[in-house]
Amino acid sequence: EIVMTQSPSTVSMSPGERATLSCRASQSIGSDLAWYQQKPGQAPRLLIYDASTRATGIPAKFTGSGSGTEFTLTISSLQSEDFAVYYCQQYNNWPPITFGQGTRLEIK
Amino acid sequence: EVQLVESGGGLVQPGGSLKLSCAASGYTFSDFAIHWVRQAPGKGLEWVGRIRTKTYNYVTVYAASVKGRFTISRDDSKNTAYLQMNSLNTEDTAVYYCTRRLDGGDGYWGQGTLVTVSS
Repeated sequence: EIVMTQSPSTVSMSPGERATLSCRASQSIGSDLAWYQQKPGQAPRLLIYDASTRATGIPAKFTGSGSGTEFTLTISSLQSEDFAVYYCQQYNNWPPITFGQGTRLEIK
Repeated sequence: EVQLVESGGGLVQPGGSLKLSCAASGYTFSDFAIHWVRQAPGKGLEWVGRIRTKTYNYVTVYAASVKGRFTISRDDSKNTAYLQMNSLNTEDTAVYYCTRRLDGGDGYWGQGTLVTVSS
């Protein structure tokens, strides 16, 4: 099973700042990685797939990068609606499909 | 517009059973697999399993934590997928989501249905 590890678990930032979230795979997954945003009481929302491709309707402020075992989600110019929990997910080698434990992005 | 709507959640005693439904609309249901993903209260996302299409003989795969207890099925004539859950325990308490794909740019999820296992 591929283990996905996200860091940090929680990050506090101010509106207008840029956030950088990390995700590491326990073995190489190529570019088979997705990022999701989840707000309380809502289903996850797909942001990025194939490591760097924005999903339909996702603004350019969300940027995914990386390949192999190291991945990054960058969110520029944070706004109030960006404060949420973010998950990475691999679909390279499954079953099982595996998710990271999540990074909570909170307002400082 | 693609929509997935889960139903069937509720309170069940440990050792009991429950069957969830995932009703799809806005696309050709029979052309796509269905995954189930769950989220325990205050916790992260956990993949439960997937059923493929008729073309692939409705093959199913499951997470180790539910294998042998949960069964995914589908009725293409009703545009609905199901998650039969048996021998439930408190660790199965979660919001259960269905989703069309977990690879690529699909991104369609239902709103989830809450299953609470408690005496």
